[in-house]
Amino acid sequence: GESVGLHLPTLSVQEGDNSIINCAYSNSASDYFIWYKQESGKGPQFIIDIRSNMDKRQGQRVTVLLNKTVKHLSLQIAATQPGDSAVYFCAEKRGSARQLTFGSGTQLTVLP
Amino acid sequence: ETGVTQSPTHLIKTRGQQVTLRCSSQSGHNTVSWYQQALGQGPQFIFQYYREEENGRGNFPPRFSGLQFPNYSSELNVNALELDDSALYLCASSTKTGTSTDTQYFGPGTRLTVL
Repeated sequence: GESVGLHLPTLSVQEGDNSIINCAYSNSASDYFIWYKQESGKGPQFIIDIRSNMDKRQGQRVTVLLNKTVKHLSLQIAATQPGDSAVYFCAEKRGSARQLTFGSGTQLTVLP
Repeated sequence: ETGVTQSPTHLIKTRGQQVTLRCSSQSGHNTVSWYQQALGQGPQFIFQYYREEENGRGNFPPRFSGLQFPNYSSELNVNALELDDSALYLCASSTKTGTSTDTQYFGPGTRLTVL
């Protein structure tokens, strides 16, 4: 069925390196995507979003890229820090309530 | 912090019991959405409340019900608890204007354990 999914369940990077977290989606009509960060014991925290009429959007140390041709989006984190260690979810807005449909998440671990 | 609060933080119930979880939305937000997050999974949409009415529902049985109050706070009620209901329950508040819904901001969640 239609879904939003992630390529890898875990990702380890050295502190100071750049991180890239990938996400695939299957619904070509999807028009809005969001990345959330969830630290242990906390609720998901909004990072950045992107609409389907955009290819790229930048925030503070983060960039989201959207490739509609292959239905793929990625989250890039520059100069990864220990505080970036968390589970990262991509989510899609869909439905009459514009509810969020989440993938299963990627656990990012930042190594010292 | 998002300004979205949830209570209680943890709860332990036994199979067959009923539970009520509470959520206070961020100031200025008129919409509350509830999600269930099983361990190691992404959140799953339960339902959304807007103007005190259910505005959309995910694939959850009727024993999951909710309320929204005039101050936009909300309750999630689960009857006849089952072991599989053990999860983190998250509420998210947002602003709905017409057919558009703004960014959803999540609370810290309520951890429900059903024994």
